[in-house]
This record gives sequence, structure tokens and C-alpha cells, in this order.
Amino acid sequence: EAGVAQSPRYKIIEKRQSVAFWCNPISGHATLYWYQQILGQGPKLLIQFQNNGVVDDSQLPKDRFSAERLKGVDSTLKIQPAKLEDSAVYLCASSLGAPRGAYEQYFGPGTRLTVT
Amino acid sequence: DAKTTQPNSMESNEEEPVHLPCNHSTISGTDYIHWYRQLPSQGPEYVIHGLTSNVNNRMASLAIAEDRKSSTLILHRATLRDAAVYYCIYTNAGKSTFGDGTTLTVKP
Repeated sequence: EAGVAQSPRYKIIEKRQSVAFWCNPISGHATLYWYQQILGQGPKLLIQFQNNGVVDDSQLPKDRFSAERLKGVDSTLKIQPAKLEDSAVYLCASSLGAPRGAYEQYFGPGTRLTVT
Repeated sequence: DAKTTQPNSMESNEEEPVHLPCNHSTISGTDYIHWYRQLPSQGPEYVIHGLTSNVNNRMASLAIAEDRKSSTLILHRATLRDAAVYYCIYTNAGKSTFGDGTTLTVKP
């Protein structure tokens, strides 16, 4: 079974530029998560989709971050414009469902973003 | 906020058992407890999860306190490949919150 795919693996941009990350979850997984992980910290949930609807985006900085999940499969996370503090690893995860956490999450390898 | 409390770091000798503790005093009766681990430069990896009863799988065992306010991840024989950051989380109102986890060092 193929795992969660993410691209690119690394990205270096200057502040105020835009960047987009792509995620392909495990086939059949209804729930998709985007996390931001700053060096030395645990992952922080940015947004959670159930199929193509948003379940939780309370920690997404909506003035600069946006995410979509077309047709309930692939997802894209965009930052526009980027700030220095956005330098982090962006992780995508998927699970079969999310009722009270009955299902485990499978994580992709992440995209390491450096903003200069 | 579904926050757990874990020690910052722990050490173990290779081939010995390791008990990683986690406190989750605000957990509700139907929220699952999950453990993940993260090796350097990799995404977190699922280890085990449970609701009330103790759970075993090929990677580890999960012991859940009777009042569910704490749990312990048990690695029965630590290997060098088990050196990682271990995260304990639970889902509250559909939302999971990762803390900073426990960094496990395994000494040969």
C-alpha cells in the first residue's frame, strides 16, 4: 500500500514570495490533515478536512495561508506572502476517519520550507 | 485544549524494557489515546492506540490507567532504532494536539 505522498521535499524562498505544497493521501482515507512543525517542537495542526469539507481550521493563519482539497482526494496548502517565521516542516497526514480518534494517522515525509 | 504531559527526555539501555509515561487528565470517556514516534528528518509514525483496555501490537504495548488520566507506552526490548521522539496525544472534540513529546535515547 502506498503511503502519503508530499511534494516538494524541500523549498527555499524569500520572504513575501508565495509557495504551495501538495499532498496525496492514502487511497480511501477520508480525513486529511496539514501540520506545521517548527524545529524542536511537536506538530501543530493547521487544518483538517473530512472528505472535501473543512472540519477544523482554527489554527490556520487565514490572512496568508489557504488550503483546499479538491474532490476529497489531493490537497494543496499555500502560503502567500511568506514570512520568516513560516520556516518549518509542513506535514500532511491522512486517516480512514476521525470520530474521536478511533483511527490512526499516517504521515507523509514532509516539506521543509526555508524562508530567507 | 487536548494537552498531554510527558517528560522531556528519557534514557534506556539496549535490550532493556522502556516505560514512557503520559498524563492526560482532561480526557473524556470516549476519546482514544494515540502514540506516535518521530525519527530525525521523518514524519511521525503511528505506534499504537487504545480506548480503555491495554493494547498490544508488534511494536509496543499500551497500558491505560483505570481512570484513563494516564497511560504508559511499553517497548519490551529497546533497540538503537527505537531512539526517537515519542508523542502521546488524544482527540478532544475531533481535534488532536501534539505536545513536544519525550526524546528517547537508547544506549548500546
